[in-house]
Amino acid sequence: RKEVEQDPGPFNVPEGATVAFNCTYSNSASQSFFWYRQDCRKEPKLLMSVYSSGNEDGRFTAQLNRASQYISLLIRDSKLSDSATYLCVVPELSGTYKYIFGTGTRLKVLA
Amino acid sequence: GEEVAQTPKHLVRGEGQKAKLYCAPIKGHSYVFWYQQVLKNEFKFLISFQNENVFDETGMPKERFSAKCLPNSPCSLEIQATKLEDSAVYFCASSQMTAGYTFGSGTRLTVV
Repeated sequence: RKEVEQDPGPFNVPEGATVAFNCTYSNSASQSFFWYRQDCRKEPKLLMSVYSSGNEDGRFTAQLNRASQYISLLIRDSKLSDSATYLCVVPELSGTYKYIFGTGTRLKVLA
Repeated sequence: GEEVAQTPKHLVRGEGQKAKLYCAPIKGHSYVFWYQQVLKNEFKFLISFQNENVFDETGMPKERFSAKCLPNSPCSLEIQATKLEDSAVYFCASSQMTAGYTFGSGTRLTVV
């Protein structure tokens, strides 16, 4: 099993739709998680941090399910500008602050 | 500054040539990381620094890759004798502890 797994997509959704993606992680001791957004081979940009049960920021909600070892990202009222790849990132627990990246989920919001 | 500055944006090298990439972290960030992103979004960790000290170099192909972070200079990643498989985007990131990385815009290396 990979340390961080994501469905690569693409998820094609119409504008205004609600879409959710999951990310599973293998190390049950992981404490913090990040969602990054990456546009077309540009640099990843931090979207949300998740340290406890979840986090909400406007149209974006991240939730953590420790029992099943997954985090989810929910996007409400999708905009064309939300089209991007969403990377699930889990810090390694070796104390090195190294990140383990999922392969990303590609989202296309269609007009 | 408030951004991680990477140069150059693009670099083309013939096989066997040297490539040198630069990264200026955000002022005040103690940690610098280098990642290589190849096709299909795979991010591979290369090396990290805590200030000018190597923190973790477990990802570095040591025979051809080297990196430094010297005081008052941008950090650098150097590849001697590049190979076709080194073609990738190289991202530098800086952070303060576990606050989340800030990435630079990357250097796209093409080896021909």
